[in-house]
Amino acid sequence: DAGITQSPRHKVTETGTPVTLRCHQTENHRYMYWYRQDPGHGLRLIHYSYGVKDTDKGEVSDGYSVSRSKTEDFLLTLESATSSQTSVYFCAISKGQGAEAFFGQGTRLTVV
Amino acid sequence: TQLLEQSPQFLSIQEGENLTVYCNSSSVFSSLQWYRQEPGEGPVLLVTVVTGGEVKKLKRLTFQFGDARKDSSLHITAAQPGDTGLYLCAGARRGSGGSNYKLTFGKGTLLTVNP
Repeated sequence: DAGITQSPRHKVTETGTPVTLRCHQTENHRYMYWYRQDPGHGLRLIHYSYGVKDTDKGEVSDGYSVSRSKTEDFLLTLESATSSQTSVYFCAISKGQGAEAFFGQGTRLTVV
Repeated sequence: TQLLEQSPQFLSIQEGENLTVYCNSSSVFSSLQWYRQEPGEGPVLLVTVVTGGEVKKLKRLTFQFGDARKDSSLHITAAQPGDTGLYLCAGARRGSGGSNYKLTFGKGTLLTVNP
């Protein structure tokens, strides 16, 4: 299994609070991604990174920010969580553009 | 509009039956990947197809990439309960304005194989 660790695995938070999810890899892959998975919508890309301090938006980036200060860590922040951000969040890594993605085990986030 | 349409959305069959799931698009992809996801886990890559018309076999699973690289199919022979899971296709294509390649996922086919 690819060395990807997401933390926390589960979190319940209140509307309006900030939340940060962490993705840590030990594979030294250049590309890192954050997806959310919702019933009826499948996996949707939130943000991705193509190098340290190099990030770009995905298709559902509103309300989310990311940071990558080290190759191995990619953080996803919800500045002010809303109920619509209740979802399962997956981090993924890949060696190259559009290459095979290796996924973490996911973080189940509930915003109440 | 969904870039990748997967069908059927749900499929429930008996052990030993054959099945095919489809992944269709009006866009051309540089490659197409198939993943399987089990409950509570992240998707796991099964195969990548790159060349139009390519066929790849993985034990009882056969993957085909359309000649025009717009569609793909996954055929499972003699399905087993262990094949149960969510099957996702994902297409890689360059983003708008020549930006980085991105993977776009279909919504998946949820397969249940009953013993």
